[in-house]
Amino acid sequence: DAKTTQPPSMDCAEGRAANLPCNHSTISGNEYVYWYRQIHSQGPQYIIHGLKNNETNEMASLIITEDRKSSTLILPHATLRDTAVYYCIVRVDQGAQKLVFGQGTRLTINP
Amino acid sequence: GAVVSQHPSRVICKSGTSVKIECRSLDFQATTMFWYRQFPKQSLMLMATSNEGSKATYEQGVEKDKFLINHASLTLSTLTVTSAHPEDSSFYICSALEGTGGNTEAFFGQGTRLTVV
Repeated sequence: DAKTTQPPSMDCAEGRAANLPCNHSTISGNEYVYWYRQIHSQGPQYIIHGLKNNETNEMASLIITEDRKSSTLILPHATLRDTAVYYCIVRVDQGAQKLVFGQGTRLTINP
Repeated sequence: GAVVSQHPSRVICKSGTSVKIECRSLDFQATTMFWYRQFPKQSLMLMATSNEGSKATYEQGVEKDKFLINHASLTLSTLTVTSAHPEDSSFYICSALEGTGGNTEAFFGQGTRLTVV
């Protein structure tokens, strides 16, 4: 079963920062937080992952709370192409640990 | 990032026939691949874990005799939907793990849309 809770949908204006929350209150000490997104009728795309420190890459930033029970994915300047379903997943980052998807957040970027 | 290719991207078959879907890791070797199924407006549901050179591990409720998985090489896993019925119509997605030990990343194929008529 998925170990994360996300709002089912969110809207954001184009050019604004999109902040997507995720609750993972039962996360274990060795579990990472992963974010993927799925644009309609395509396979999921990796965005970012982290353990306890905040992370940033060319796509997004990941802010993890100090107690690690929640996190926020930030798309700094959302574009229309960022419209997708965003999945937050917790996973042990070793070996062949499977990715179990929850329901995700359907993010709509409005012009 | 690494590339995972699925083929075909779209297939229509008659009820009662079998369909094979291929998943290839193009620029890396994948000991482990995963197969998912996704119905409209729903999330991805993990069907099975495919391990190179050994039997696949199926999730609870997934019929192993209906969804045959073969992982014959480090770059290819196949999913065969046997005796397909209209209720098997779905979007099938594979994922391959790149890396070993504490640094693995999952890459996904573009999906296969199966329609059984």
